[in-house]
Amino acid sequence: DAKTTQPNSMESNEEEPVHLPCNHSTISGTDYIHWYRQLPSQGPEYVIHGLTSNVNNRMASLAIAEDRKSSTLILHRATLRDAAVYYCILRDGSGNTGKLIFGQGTTLQVKP
Amino acid sequence: DADVTQTPRNRITKTGKRIMLECSQTKGHDRMYWYRQDPGLGLRLIYYSFDVKDINKGEISDGYSVSRQAQAKFSLSLESAIPNQTALYFCATSPGLAGARRETQYFGPGTRLLVL
Repeated sequence: DAKTTQPNSMESNEEEPVHLPCNHSTISGTDYIHWYRQLPSQGPEYVIHGLTSNVNNRMASLAIAEDRKSSTLILHRATLRDAAVYYCILRDGSGNTGKLIFGQGTTLQVKP
Repeated sequence: DADVTQTPRNRITKTGKRIMLECSQTKGHDRMYWYRQDPGLGLRLIYYSFDVKDINKGEISDGYSVSRQAQAKFSLSLESAIPNQTALYFCATSPGLAGARRETQYFGPGTRLLVL
């Protein structure tokens, strides 16, 4: 499985945009890039995913580099509720196992 | 009501005891998963099941067993609990649509297990 690299922690001020980077230099052509987040004392929740094109939904935007070796999760206006651990995950592209391989993620702190 | 429920939410047991963690879902999903989370290690996959008759080992299955009693129920057992199985355990489901690479997984609230 292709691996991802994320910074251990980031800080942001409330109501400012946040850009969470992820490197995945060994990504294969069929790997989807998924982002999940885990709020304190809760299970992980899905945020967004994409393959090649940038994606937007009500929670966030995903910007994917042209060579697909990196991506950035964008929270347009951080709120205190966005403080969580954010995981960048590549889905198993070699078959249909559906496995999610979690790394250590980025702990986002949001300051009021 | 939550779509994915786990019972118990907290459990304290002693070394050598057999315990079972249960997961139920009302999402109608075919696929179910068990993960454990340890501080600083992220989540790791223990077992996964694509339907009632299809059960597969994940990356850390030693010391665990599972049972898929029905589409909606997936139980995780520790046959003889040991202290290094102290962790937070999560159950998850996914719909099993064609193209698993695109699937979203939905997680339960977790079971916190302490083995003394």
